[in-house]
Amino acid sequence: KQEVTQIPAALSVPEGENLVLNCSFTDSAIYNLQWFRQDPGKGLTSLLLIQSSQREQTSGRLNASLDKSSGRSTLYIAASQPGDSATYLCAVKPRDSNYQLIWGAGTKLIIKP
Amino acid sequence: GAVVSQHPSWVICKSGTSVKIECRSLDFQATTMFWYRQFPKQSLMLMATSNEGSKATYEQGVEKDKFLINHASLTLSTLTVTSAHPEDSSFYICSARGVYYNEQFFGPGTRLTVL
Repeated sequence: KQEVTQIPAALSVPEGENLVLNCSFTDSAIYNLQWFRQDPGKGLTSLLLIQSSQREQTSGRLNASLDKSSGRSTLYIAASQPGDSATYLCAVKPRDSNYQLIWGAGTKLIIKP
Repeated sequence: GAVVSQHPSWVICKSGTSVKIECRSLDFQATTMFWYRQFPKQSLMLMATSNEGSKATYEQGVEKDKFLINHASLTLSTLTVTSAHPEDSSFYICSARGVYYNEQFFGPGTRLTVL
């Protein structure tokens, strides 16, 4: 059974720092992995989607990597800003799923001005 | 493109009443829609998957008579919380997948508070 874990559950860093969020999964048979951002009381914003054949995806200050063999993905945020404060969720689509996603519990990120 | 809306964005109701939440795909045809609920400080929990024109498939532990899902058209799915109780208070999020997409697009969520 696929399980997705995000550590740490919360992270607080000063503005301007580069940071890495971690996501691990137990079964490497995935179709893709996706990173989302959720602001308090709001819905989800898709940040990056990495197909199983890809190693990384980049969008602006964000870079997501995928290592299927080790069951890990990282979300790298460069030059963090207070506006980056949010909860970051990763979700895995198993290869044999009916488009269902397996979710991590999220990392709550606080960027201090 | 690939925008999903939800209505209402928040609703407060009395215990025992029923509440309907709408999920619409605005610029694509959603062959599959998903309904999630999220408790405070927790991740999303999939409630059910619905395909247009057929009955929804509910996850284990989700009462189908309590949470009625209708996916009558390719752009609209509704979730009705029947005889709502305070424990049904939660954040409900829908997502939609179209024929030509390999990912889900998420709505902004609906905050339900049952008094």
